[in-house]
Amino acid sequence: TQLLEQSPQFLSIQEGENLTVYCNSSSVFSSLQWYRQEPGEGPVLLVTVVTGGEVKKLKRLTFQFGDARKDSSLHITAAQPGDTGLYLCAVNSGGSNYKLTFGKGTLLTVNP
Amino acid sequence: GAGVSQSPSNKVTEKGKDVELRCDPISGHTALYWYRQSLGQGLEFLIYFQGNSAPDKSGLPSDRFSAERTGGSVSTLTIQRTQQEDSAVYLCASSRETGENTEAFFGQGTRLTVV
Repeated sequence: TQLLEQSPQFLSIQEGENLTVYCNSSSVFSSLQWYRQEPGEGPVLLVTVVTGGEVKKLKRLTFQFGDARKDSSLHITAAQPGDTGLYLCAVNSGGSNYKLTFGKGTLLTVNP
Repeated sequence: GAGVSQSPSNKVTEKGKDVELRCDPISGHTALYWYRQSLGQGLEFLIYFQGNSAPDKSGLPSDRFSAERTGGSVSTLTIQRTQQEDSAVYLCASSRETGENTEAFFGQGTRLTVV
């Protein structure tokens, strides 16, 4: 059983469309991170959410942490080809403050 | 360099051979991590180094895997007697410190293919 379930697994859309991807769990977390990984590169941190119900915006990306701190969503407005990549959510796990557990990710393709 | 540097970027090896993967963390970063990313499995934690403390090796999948960090800087991940299931991208990351919201900076990874 995965600690973090991400959906959808794959998403292919046209430039200009909006989309939302999800990261769900049955566990409660004190914080959650979102990363984007482009082909041939390592993951890059986009945001950390720490408060239940928190909404953070990064240009066209909006991140929300669920009220119960069990889930999170990432909404992209007017997607662009540069948004193409693997979006990963991650949490500290195993009682450590350094060991990250990742979801399997959503592979997003934005077609021009 | 400005970022985490890993070498080689690609490695093809024959089953049963040993391989060494290298990671140069960002200067001044005391924490260093190795993760493995394989198809269908996502990123898996392998090992963590912090300063002079004993490393957390709890993620190493078998005793064929080992890692060292010399002088608190460069790290080497060694896989002995490689198997086909070891094929994956091995990612190294470093951070300035340790803490729940600390940002980890990842290298580009080493793609290992065992044939």
